[in-house]
Parts: sequence; C-alpha cells; structure tokens
Amino acid sequence: TQLLEQSPQFLSIQEGENLTVYCNSSSVFSSLQWYRQEPGEGPVLLVTVVTGGEVKKLKRLTFQFGDARKDSSLHITAAQPGDTGLYLCAGPFSGGYNKLIFGAGTRLAVHP
Amino acid sequence: EAGVVQSPRYKIIEKKQPVAFWCNPISGHNTLYWYLQNLGQGPELLIRYENEEAVDDSQLPKDRFSAERLKGVDSTLKIQPAELGDSAVYLCASSLGVVDTGELFFGEGSRLTVL
Repeated sequence: TQLLEQSPQFLSIQEGENLTVYCNSSSVFSSLQWYRQEPGEGPVLLVTVVTGGEVKKLKRLTFQFGDARKDSSLHITAAQPGDTGLYLCAGPFSGGYNKLIFGAGTRLAVHP
Repeated sequence: EAGVVQSPRYKIIEKKQPVAFWCNPISGHNTLYWYLQNLGQGPELLIRYENEEAVDDSQLPKDRFSAERLKGVDSTLKIQPAELGDSAVYLCASSLGVVDTGELFFGEGSRLTVL
C-alpha cells in the first residue's frame, strides 16, 4: 500500500521563523506535488517535482525531491501569517487509475 | 475563467436523510474527481470520471453513495441514507490530463454535518 506520511502534524511558529515540513514514503513515486489548503477552501497546487534530487524555489518556499524519489521536503524562510494553512503532499498512485493519493498534511500556524 | 464550482457549501441534515452535492468543473476538463476529506486529514478519492465514464469507483461505498456525470460535464454525488460518520468535507476537482505532472483544480468543498 502506498502511503505518504507527513511530519510534523502541527506547527505553530512566530512570524519571521524558518521551518521545514516533510513528506515520506517507503514507495517510489514518479513525481510528488505540494498543495496548500486554507480554511474553508480547496487545496491549491504549489509545485510539482519530478526528478530525484530536484530543488524548486517559489519565492520564500523551497521544495526538494529526494534522490530516491521516496520523500520530499518543503522549507519556508521567514514565515509570514499568510503562509498559514494545511500543507499537503500528493503523489500518483502506482496502480494506475490516474489518481493522486494525499498525505494527512501539516497544519501550519504563523503568528504575528 | 471560472474555477470548479460546488454547491451547497454547507449542509446540515439528520441521520438517515438523503443529501446531494453538485459540481461544475472547469470548462474543457474531461477528468472529474470526488474526494472526501475528514477533519485533520488529507483528501481521499471516492470516484473519478473520464468524461461521463466512472473509471475508478473502488473507494465509493456503493450501498449508500452514488454519483453521476451526465453529458460529461456537471456531476452529482448522493448519499442515501446519511450516517453520522459521513460528516466531512466533500471536494470536487477537475483536471485536463494525467496526474503525474498535471494539476488538480479543487472547488471550495461542501461541508456536511449529519446529526
């Protein structure tokens, strides 16, 4: 069974701090995606990583795909209250069906 | 361009009552998904449509859940009868191509509370 485990589950920090959240699996994924979900909204795609070892930057957010394509991390520099939300990693199900499976998410709260 | 539209946003019903959710995907998106999201969890796929065909409904509890996508555009998800454990957010998403590198566009969700 493919599972994506995210850690930590919850993170509460002050504005300006740095943080890293993780997405791990025992399975190899052809790609991984990161979504952010704000309260009362649906998830919104932040990035897709497809190559082992790949690093992508989106302003203050840095995404890394593990060399073995079993894990990924999201690092936020100088967090702002607007970064508050649920961060979800997702990967394509290897059994086909063209579907994504999601981790349980990391809930981030950034306080002013 | 309009995003994925879902209705209703909120629904409160008593157990054993029926409920239906509606989704209008982004124009031109042939793939439509219904996901279930429990509090504090990630979305879990219920059913996926390619045009009007349900190509993956393995996680849909068929004894009480049903879905349809007539004409390959709008979709409806129905629960009858609802149980207390069905309280959750029901998310609809649509996409153009394969999920390996493509993007899923989600609606705002329909939050169901079963009393």
